[in-house]
Amino acid sequence: DAKTTQPTSMDCAEGRAANLPCNHSTISGNEYVYWYRQIHSQGPQYIIHGLKNNETNEMASLIITEDRKSSTLILPHATLRDTAVYYCTSYNNAGNMLTFGGGTRLMVKP
Amino acid sequence: KAGVTQTPRYLIKTRGQQVTLSCSPISGHRSVSWYQQTPGQGLQFLFEYFSETQRNKGNFPGRFSGRQFSNSRSEMNVSTLELGDSALYLCASSLRTGTSNTFGSGTRLTVV
Repeated sequence: DAKTTQPTSMDCAEGRAANLPCNHSTISGNEYVYWYRQIHSQGPQYIIHGLKNNETNEMASLIITEDRKSSTLILPHATLRDTAVYYCTSYNNAGNMLTFGGGTRLMVKP
Repeated sequence: KAGVTQTPRYLIKTRGQQVTLSCSPISGHRSVSWYQQTPGQGLQFLFEYFSETQRNKGNFPGRFSGRQFSNSRSEMNVSTLELGDSALYLCASSLRTGTSNTFGSGTRLTVV
């Protein structure tokens, strides 16, 4: 079973920040949280990952709560091309299997 | 550098047939994983290979199998195809265990 829960869908206005939440209260203390996105009919694309500290790269920022029970992916200036399904996930104990939930379908609107 | 390459992109097979899908990982990546994606079940883990060894297998029947070659290229095989096997099959590679995966574009299999 997926260890993460996300809202089914969200809308965001073009140019505004998109904040995508994820609850992962059951992941263990040494499990990284990974974010991927999938644009229709393509393979998932890695976005960012983190353990305890907030992370930022050229695509997004990841804010992880101090208790590690939830995180938020931030796309600072959403564009129409950011319309996709966003998955918050983590590895199993062996580190060789990702469990995907239903993800959040983000619709960026003009 | 080249990404993960999956062949073929599209495939139509008849019930009862068998199919082999191919995946070429990013150069230097030794871990290859396979996932099945359907509208009803979403993304589900099939299996993972590292250095030619299957290290983990998802909850799929024995009709689903795979292998990895010494150059890290991987194949998966589905025998006695059923209509429910129609799906997008995705391959992902990573440098080592527990690191970010790079996914291919997938093979869309339709069973008629």
